Amino acid sequence: QQQVKQSPQSLIVQKGGISIINCAYENTAFDYFPWYQQFPGKGPALLIAIRPDVSEKKEGRFTISFNKSAKQFSLHIMDSQPGDSATYFCAAREEGGKLIFGQGTELSVKP
Amino acid sequence: NAGVTQTPKFRVLKTGQSMTLLCAQDMNHEYMYWYRQDPGMGLRLIHYSVGEGTTAKGEVPDGYNVSRLKKQNFLLGLESAAPSQTSVYFCASRSSYNSPLHFGNGTRLTVT
Repeated sequence: QQQVKQSPQSLIVQKGGISIINCAYENTAFDYFPWYQQFPGKGPALLIAIRPDVSEKKEGRFTISFNKSAKQFSLHIMDSQPGDSATYFCAAREEGGKLIFGQGTELSVKP
Repeated sequence: NAGVTQTPKFRVLKTGQSMTLLCAQDMNHEYMYWYRQDPGMGLRLIHYSVGEGTTAKGEVPDGYNVSRLKKQNFLLGLESAAPSQTSVYFCASRSSYNSPLHFGNGTRLTVT
């Protein structure tokens, strides 16, 4: 039973384009939704995060959109660059503080 | 600034062998976690600790044991390795409930 479902599994975007990754969750008790970025051979690192009382958060080229009623949130990468090529994980924090991760999206930005 | 250090980086085991993965953090973090990463499955929590001397089960604890005898170290043990435990294992830590997770660079384990 996957509590956080992430799509697509892989994504190819041209340089300068917009990358969009989606996540859906079931547990309404989740109280924090981070996105992690992972480069090959490295551990994931926090990219950006949002709380459910906010509908959007932007940091540079990265934006989280959050739809509480639909129980969905998404990551938008504007002006995607080859250096953004990585695996992205959405996550949700449950009561007690544990993070539940989505399945991951492998993003490739073509020059 | 080492952060979270995992040893070893790679290991090959035969079915039935045992081993211990070591995670060390130098940030004085209270919380420590062990995850496994498998293709299409994301990161799944094996065990975690909310402080020195404490441990708790995560989503997929079967076949693993952990110990947190010192605050800076979190050990993950496999008593009798199985091919299903072939995975990349990540350790993570954080200082408090609202702080972000800091991950190590992983241990790639193959069980033949």
